[in-house]
Amino acid sequence: GAVVSQHPSWVICKSGTSVKIECRSLDFQATTMFWYRQFPKQSLMLMATSNEGSKATYEQGVEKDKFLINHASLTLSTLTVTSAHPEDSSFYICSARQVARVTTDTQYFGPGTRLTVL
Amino acid sequence: GESVGLHLPTLSVQEGDNSIINCAYSNSASDYFIWYKQESGKGPQFIIDIRSNMDKRQGQRVTVLLNKTVKHLSLQIAATQPGDSAVYFCAEINSGGYQKVTFGIGTKLQVIP
Repeated sequence: GAVVSQHPSWVICKSGTSVKIECRSLDFQATTMFWYRQFPKQSLMLMATSNEGSKATYEQGVEKDKFLINHASLTLSTLTVTSAHPEDSSFYICSARQVARVTTDTQYFGPGTRLTVL
Repeated sequence: GESVGLHLPTLSVQEGDNSIINCAYSNSASDYFIWYKQESGKGPQFIIDIRSNMDKRQGQRVTVLLNKTVKHLSLQIAATQPGDSAVYFCAEINSGGYQKVTFGIGTKLQVIP
């Protein structure tokens, strides 16, 4: 089956630094990738929709200048948390939608990245 | 289950019994629904899906029921096993545009051996 990877799987950083998280579709091409954030004991909240070669579409309340998304190729999207603060500590999950498939279950989720900001 | 703020509703089930996890969705225009299983520290895993023109779909040990009148989904797991312990999310899909997935609040399933 299709596999989506994320790197790193966990990261600890100091307040004020920037952190980049990568999302890769390993054996398929993805025109669209989604970024979610999940706080403990809560559901996944969509942050933004990322399309290859174009600007990401951010959900209401998500600061685009703080959460920079780049979808440079059909297999890679990156999320950069700029000037991270402790309140940005969360579990970040990406998903990738396979090109040329029309059924919605072809959206595959990555394993997540645990970010802790000290 | 009902939302209780920051605490996920929990369902405890004896091993071997059947489990029923419920979910209320919000958008009557959603035309596709998915149940996901999420184990601790991992991403969501697809379990089963159903389109809005259906009211029931069965998989291996799992059944999803859809009641569009009251905007309600349920996931039934037969002969629940310890490996079924996880958080279960229902999700509704906006099939227009980029097929955005909107997740429900989740239910934690605890299987008692």
